[in-house]
Order: sequence, then structure tokens, then C-alpha cells
Amino acid sequence: DAKTTQPPSMDCAEGRAANLPCNHSTISGNEYVYWYRQIHSQGPQYIIHGLKNNETNEMASLIITEDRKSSTLILPHATLRDTAVYYCIVLVNYGGATNKLIFGTGTLLAVQP
Amino acid sequence: SQTIHQWPATLVQPVGSPLSLECTVEGTSNPNLYWYRQAAGRGLQLLFYSVGIGQISSEVPQNLSASRPQDRQFILSSKKLLLSDSGFYLCAGGRGELFFGEGSRLTVL
Repeated sequence: DAKTTQPPSMDCAEGRAANLPCNHSTISGNEYVYWYRQIHSQGPQYIIHGLKNNETNEMASLIITEDRKSSTLILPHATLRDTAVYYCIVLVNYGGATNKLIFGTGTLLAVQP
Repeated sequence: SQTIHQWPATLVQPVGSPLSLECTVEGTSNPNLYWYRQAAGRGLQLLFYSVGIGQISSEVPQNLSASRPQDRQFILSSKKLLLSDSGFYLCAGGRGELFFGEGSRLTVL
């Protein structure tokens, strides 16, 4: 079973920041938080991951609360092409032998023009 | 960078026919490999994963099987397809962050 809870859907205006929340209250100390997104009929695309510090890359920022029980993915300037289902996943054994991405239902982000 | 190749992209098969989907990985050695299935309008379900040649773990009971004959090759098979096997099949690979192929859409009639 997925260990994360996400809202089923969100809307965002084009050009504005999209903030996607995720709850992972049972996360273990060695579990990372990963974000993927899936545009319709395509394979999931890796976005970002983190352990406890906030992370930023060219696609997004990841804010993890101090107690690590929740996180927020931030797309700073959403475009229509960011419309997708966004999955928050917790994953143990980074780089190890049993990385199993267990996908929940995700959040459908609809970017509106 | 890592690339996942997956084929065929689309196939239509009759009930009871065999299935073979193939996946290869470029850009990394000794990757963990995975097969996922996504039914229409549903989430991704992990079917099989492999941590090395000949090592396969099944996550759900079904009439599908997987094999890993080479380090960067992962094959999903069935001897006799069922209607319920229809779906979007995704291969993924990597260590740490996973990369996904573009998927194979299977329709069983």
C-alpha cells in the first residue's frame, strides 16, 4: 500500500506557482520523499527527491517539514504543459537493492490558461 | 543519462494468445528493473521487480511472468492472455531514482 496521502485534484492558473501537498506521517528515518509526474498516456517522469533538507532543481522545489511528516512540491511558474498527475512516494534503500516505487492515486494538477 | 527502451508500443492480442514485452536499459549497469501495469483510469500497480540477472520478485499473483536474461534486459510474458490483462505496461529501471519507458498499450480482445 502507498504510504502517502495527496488531494485528488488541484487547479492552478498559468504562470502562478503550483503547490502540491503530500502527507507521509508514517515515514521512517531512512525513507526519502520522491516526486514523479505522469502526463496522459506517457511513462512517469522523475521530478525531485529529498530526505530532510529542502531541495531545488530546474523543474521544481521540494519543501519537507521538520518532522518529515509532510512535504510540498512547488512548481514556481506553472505552464499548461505541467498538467499531469503528480505522485508523492516514500522510498527506502536509496540506491540499494529493493527500491520499490509504490504509487498512490496522486494529484491531478490542471493548469488553467 | 539513463534511457529505458520498451517495445512494442501498442499491440492487440486475442484472448488465449501469448505475450512478450521487452525492455532494455542504457546508461547504467546493474540496475533494478520493474514492470508496472496501469489499467484505464487507474494508478500504477507494481507487478515484478528484479535486482539482478535471473532474480525476479512478483508483487501480485497473476498469469504473467517476468524474466531477466541479461543485466539490462527485462521481459514480461504470458502463455495465455486474459481480458483482464489489458492495460498500459511500463518498464522502469535504475538505482535510486527510477526512469520509465514510454509504455506498451495492450488490448486483449
